[in-house]
Amino acid sequence: AQKITQTQPGMFVQEKEAVTLDCTYDTSDQSYGLFWYKQPSSGEMIFLIYQGSYDEQNATEGRYSLNFQKARKSANLVISASQLGDSAMYFCAMIRRASGTYKYIFGTGTRLKVLA
Amino acid sequence: DSGVTQTPKHLITATGQRVTLRCSPRSGDLSVYWYQQSLDQGLQFLIQYYNGEERAKGNILERFSAQQFPDLHSELNLSSLELGDSALYFCASSASGGDLTQYFGPGTRLLVL
Repeated sequence: AQKITQTQPGMFVQEKEAVTLDCTYDTSDQSYGLFWYKQPSSGEMIFLIYQGSYDEQNATEGRYSLNFQKARKSANLVISASQLGDSAMYFCAMIRRASGTYKYIFGTGTRLKVLA
Repeated sequence: DSGVTQTPKHLITATGQRVTLRCSPRSGDLSVYWYQQSLDQGLQFLIQYYNGEERAKGNILERFSAQQFPDLHSELNLSSLELGDSALYFCASSASGGDLTQYFGPGTRLLVL
């Protein structure tokens, strides 16, 4: 079954430190994509970063990087130099193609709290 | 700002009622997706439209329906509302072609009393 697992329901990190949010996925597909979204307390969903299954290099977007380990089926999000504004819920998601369309599967999220 | 707009921002209604949520995708995006986010169910995919046609269906109840209009805006209709339908409803859009990133709207918070 296709599935995204985020095992950390909540995490704390000190301001200016780096933090890793875990995401593992289960798929038998050869081709798929992985996303991370941020949801602050205000509720909106903000796209952070994307990694394709055939991308050899890990994706980076500013302070965000995706540690993609295909053999282990993990796609961890690394946030460097944490800021107070990074406190939010973070969702890992997978896109795959099935039955002629694209399907998105989301994990249950990790709530990150950045401490001053 | 993702470029996706949703109205209304908040909606309070009673059980048994019917409501319509509206979404305007980013300029140029042909695909619209609807999601329901609740505390107990998490983020659940409901339905997808592409250029006016239904493309994929997720965990959408029969009491719910959606459509996408020629101008590409979409509406999600929720009828015979129950307490358990209280949730945050997101609309997202994506372009056709290579960029499949979904960009989410701010959501509509529905409270059924």
